[in-house]
Amino acid sequence: SQQGEEDPQALSIQEGENATMNCSYKTSINNLQWYRQNSGRGLVHLILIRSNEREKHSGRLRVTLDTSKKSSSLLITASRAADTASYFCATVNQGGKLIFGQGTELSVKP
Amino acid sequence: ETGVTQTPRHLVMGMTNKKSLKCEQHLGHNAMYWYKQSAKKPLELMFVYNFKEQTENNSVPSRFSPECPNSSHLFLHLHTLQPEDSALYLCASTRTEDTYNEQFFGPGTRLTVL
Repeated sequence: SQQGEEDPQALSIQEGENATMNCSYKTSINNLQWYRQNSGRGLVHLILIRSNEREKHSGRLRVTLDTSKKSSSLLITASRAADTASYFCATVNQGGKLIFGQGTELSVKP
Repeated sequence: ETGVTQTPRHLVMGMTNKKSLKCEQHLGHNAMYWYKQSAKKPLELMFVYNFKEQTENNSVPSRFSPECPNSSHLFLHLHTLQPEDSALYLCASTRTEDTYNEQFFGPGTRLTVL
């Protein structure tokens, strides 16, 4: 069954605003990863958060993880038109298997 | 550039054709993956190879035939496909000794079956 489910499915914001995407999952994980995909291209790894971490930063990205709620969020601050893409969360279970969610389509309007 | 390349980038084929997709990585990774991405669906894992051995086949129809001659190369042989097989096919690789299993993706092959 699908592990990660993103919310919202689509998000449209203005340049300069913050974008928040959420991911929920069902079973215990080793880590959770976020990927970005530009239209029709491969996925690019953005950030990884381990199950014993609660928050992680990378540039304009901030990821939180709440293992009690089985949820994670990805915050992109001061968004740019170039951030327009699909964003996927992926959970890694204890066996190392990576399972992707359906993704959030982010549109940042200039 | 992620270090994973895929060819061709675009492919149009008829249902009776035979074609192959190629994936190559020079990252020193030992595991390679094929994924299928259809519109409005999550990525579907198709096959996993670890040190050239197939370790996972996710109930993929036999018209898709993978081949992994070494840890750097992965092929997906296609024959008698159906229009519903049209999708973006993504290859990925990782080093499984790394517990955290970050995957590196190629740019994908956009496949259209007529």
